[in-house]
Amino acid sequence: AQSVTQPDIHITVSEGASLELRCNYSYGATPYLFWYVQSPGQGLQLLLKYFSGDTLVQGIKGFEAEFKRSQSSFNLRKPSVHWSDAAEYFCAVGRGPTGGFKTIFGAGTRLFVKA
Amino acid sequence: SAVISQKPSRDICQRGTSLTIQCQVDSQVTMMFWYRQQPGQSLTLIATANQGSEATYESGFVIDKFPISRPNLTFSTLTVSNMSPEDSSIYLCSVVVAGGISYNEQFFGPGTRLTVL
Repeated sequence: AQSVTQPDIHITVSEGASLELRCNYSYGATPYLFWYVQSPGQGLQLLLKYFSGDTLVQGIKGFEAEFKRSQSSFNLRKPSVHWSDAAEYFCAVGRGPTGGFKTIFGAGTRLFVKA
Repeated sequence: SAVISQKPSRDICQRGTSLTIQCQVDSQVTMMFWYRQQPGQSLTLIATANQGSEATYESGFVIDKFPISRPNLTFSTLTVSNMSPEDSSIYLCSVVVAGGISYNEQFFGPGTRLTVL
């Protein structure tokens, strides 16, 4: 069965420090991978996506993620965190056309940023 | 891309009543979905809204509780029936803009925040 695991329920980092949010997936076919951010009381915003090609993808707000097929991982990184990055982050796997375009979401990681 | 609007944005309802949520997209899309996000939880897919036919429900969700309509390629409704406090959630409409066999991108509406007393 397909699944997405975000092992960290919450993470606290200092402003200006680097960030890495972990994501592991289980999916038999070629994965379509996404990271979304949800600020309190706000909707979902797509940070970045991976469909194919270069395994290091750049997103908005200075985020990047690296797809590692051998580790079934798609970790999100940012070199220097800003206080405005405090939010909930969701990793997701899209099943693509053979899976009815459905998307499976991880449980989310809440990021806290301290001054 | 696709811009999605949902009505209402939020509502407070009494248990035992029903609420219909509307989702309008600014362009014709291939796939439309409804998700639920319970407080402090991730998103769970309720169903795929199929144009002109019955929706396809995920395990744990049934048509009697969550009837869905999709009369055309840009509009869908989700009804939460006979509500209980456990139905308090954010309900999100989502669309996929797909070209041919490629998987382009998924867009989400702003959500409808439902509180059931």
